[in-house]
Amino acid sequence: DIQMTQSPPSLSASLGETVSIECRASEDIYSNLAWYQQKSGKSPQLLIYYASSLQDGVPSRFSGSGSGTQYSLKISGMQPEDEGVYYCLQGSKYPLTFGSGTKLEIK
Amino acid sequence: QVQLKESGPGLVQPSQTLSLTCTVSGFSLTSYNVHWVRQPPGKGLEWMGRMRYNGDTSYNSALKSRLSISRDTSKNQVFLKMNSLQTDDTGTYYCTRDRKGYFDFWGPGTMVTVSS
Repeated sequence: DIQMTQSPPSLSASLGETVSIECRASEDIYSNLAWYQQKSGKSPQLLIYYASSLQDGVPSRFSGSGSGTQYSLKISGMQPEDEGVYYCLQGSKYPLTFGSGTKLEIK
Repeated sequence: QVQLKESGPGLVQPSQTLSLTCTVSGFSLTSYNVHWVRQPPGKGLEWMGRMRYNGDTSYNSALKSRLSISRDTSKNQVFLKMNSLQTDDTGTYYCTRDRKGYFDFWGPGTMVTVSS
């Protein structure tokens, strides 16, 4: 199985600050990487797919990058509504696997 | 518009079988894959298995011996059955639509508690 190592486990950011979350795959996943935001009591919401494609309706302050085994999600200008838990998902090989999550809070 | 909604019993006794239904609208089960994902309270997401558009299934090997996924295309429903439930199967169960390697739409989830 492909292991997804996500870091950091938690993060605290000030309003307007730029934050980054990383996911490292145990093998090449060929950009088959998606990012999700989950708010408390809600289902995950798709932010980024194929490593860098922005889902319709997602604010442009969210961006994704990476290739091979290393991927990152960047939020350029933290907003209050960005609080939540962020997960990466590899869709390259079954079983599909998620990162362990990053809890993002406002400082 | 695309919608998925999970339904199920809420409470299941240990060693019993869980049966969940995912009812979809806005797309055809013969055109898209549908997956099941679960999340224990306060923990991360775990992929369970999928129903392909052509009726084939795939399962997480950790659950394969206990898990079965089926569908009724005439009712736009995908079913999950998992037997021999234990307390660590407690959590929220989601169905989600596959867009070739990622999930674009999710149901709101259904909470399942395994307890006597």
